[in-house]
Amino acid sequence: QKEVEQDPGPLSVPEGAIVSLNCTYSNSAFQYFMWYRQYSRKGPELLMYTYSSGNKEDGRFTAQVDKSSKYISLFIRDSQPSDSATYLCAMSAGAYSSASKIIFGSGTRLSIRP
Amino acid sequence: SAVISQKPSRDICQRGTSLTIQCQVDSQVTMMFWYRQQPGQSLTLIATANQGSEATYESGFVIDKFPISRPNLTFSTLTVSNMSPEDSSIYLCSGSQGGDTDTQYFGPGTRLTVL
Repeated sequence: QKEVEQDPGPLSVPEGAIVSLNCTYSNSAFQYFMWYRQYSRKGPELLMYTYSSGNKEDGRFTAQVDKSSKYISLFIRDSQPSDSATYLCAMSAGAYSSASKIIFGSGTRLSIRP
Repeated sequence: SAVISQKPSRDICQRGTSLTIQCQVDSQVTMMFWYRQQPGQSLTLIATANQGSEATYESGFVIDKFPISRPNLTFSTLTVSNMSPEDSSIYLCSGSQGGDTDTQYFGPGTRLTVL
């Protein structure tokens, strides 16, 4: 079983829809949770970063962590064609300075239809 | 944040040859990493590039195949040695400025095809 599972998609939704992207994980030691966005032929860029459980909002993006269920989500409101990209979840047990490796999901390919 | 550039952006190489990929950061970073990303796959950490000392390799990756240098806090190279078609992939460099968050910033990647 992989440490981090992510549905690869592709996921296609109409412009303006609410998008829900999810990951599950098996390592209960994970405390830091991240979402990266990767456009085609580009490197991943950090979108959201959360520590422990709870919600974090940044504009149209909301990151949610449920440690009891080992489940994290990224919600995109009022989705735009420019949101079309691959979204990767990532997590680690601690700050990397403590030699904790970041584990990435395989990414969900999202397409927003105009 | 840090802006990371990589050279070359892509290359097509012959089997048995070697390619060196350069990674340049616009500011000093505490840690630098090299990843491999194969189509439809997640990012796989190859190694942590340590400044002034030997890199720390992950399981399944060895120094003879992927020698890494990091002469200072803003630059690193990864060499893919004695290449085979299985080495065809995207190679990504990232940097972290450390601290409590330790978020990583990625370069645009180098797309390698081995014939």
